Amino acid sequence: AQRVTQPEKLLSVFKGAPVELKCNYSYSGSPELFWYVQYSRQRLQLLLRHISRESIKGFTADLNKGETSFHLKKPFAQEEDSAMYYCALRHKAAGNKLTFGGGTRVLVKP
Amino acid sequence: GAVVSQHPSRVICKSGTSVKIECRSLDFQATTMFWYRQFPKQSLMLMATSNEGSKATYEQGVEKDKFLINHASLTLSTLTVTSAHPEDSSFYICSARAGGREETQYFGPGTRLLVL
Repeated sequence: AQRVTQPEKLLSVFKGAPVELKCNYSYSGSPELFWYVQYSRQRLQLLLRHISRESIKGFTADLNKGETSFHLKKPFAQEEDSAMYYCALRHKAAGNKLTFGGGTRVLVKP
Repeated sequence: GAVVSQHPSRVICKSGTSVKIECRSLDFQATTMFWYRQFPKQSLMLMATSNEGSKATYEQGVEKDKFLINHASLTLSTLTVTSAHPEDSSFYICSARAGGREETQYFGPGTRLLVL
């Protein structure tokens, strides 16, 4: 069965420090992975997807099929990055539904 | 970008009553809508997937007769919590996806349900 694991519930870093949010997955097919972000009192929104190989708001994520990981990284965290981050896996064969990880709360301190 | 709205944003009801939550895609046609439930400090759990004009597909453990889903048009899906009980109190979030090549799911702001 598909599963997405985010081992850290909370990451606290100082402004300007690097931040890395871990995400591991288990899936029998070819994975499609996403990172979603939820800022305080706002709705969930897409941050980036692995197929785009893009950098959004300074964040990047590389799919490592050997390690079944899709870690999210930013070299210099900003206070406005404080939010809840969810890693998600899309099941194409199951109606394109998303399976979410447990989420990681990032707190960037001044 | 695409916008998904939900109504109401919060609702308080008495135990035993039914509550209907609406989810609308405002500027695109959503062939597929998803309903999630989120408990405090927990992740989103998919409840069901609905495609326009067909019956919803429920996830394991979700009672079909308890959570009625209707997706009658390409811009509207409704979730009705029937005979609500305090344990149904939660944050309900809908998500909509357009058909074709558009793969992004857009999320609504959520509806907080409190059953007394």
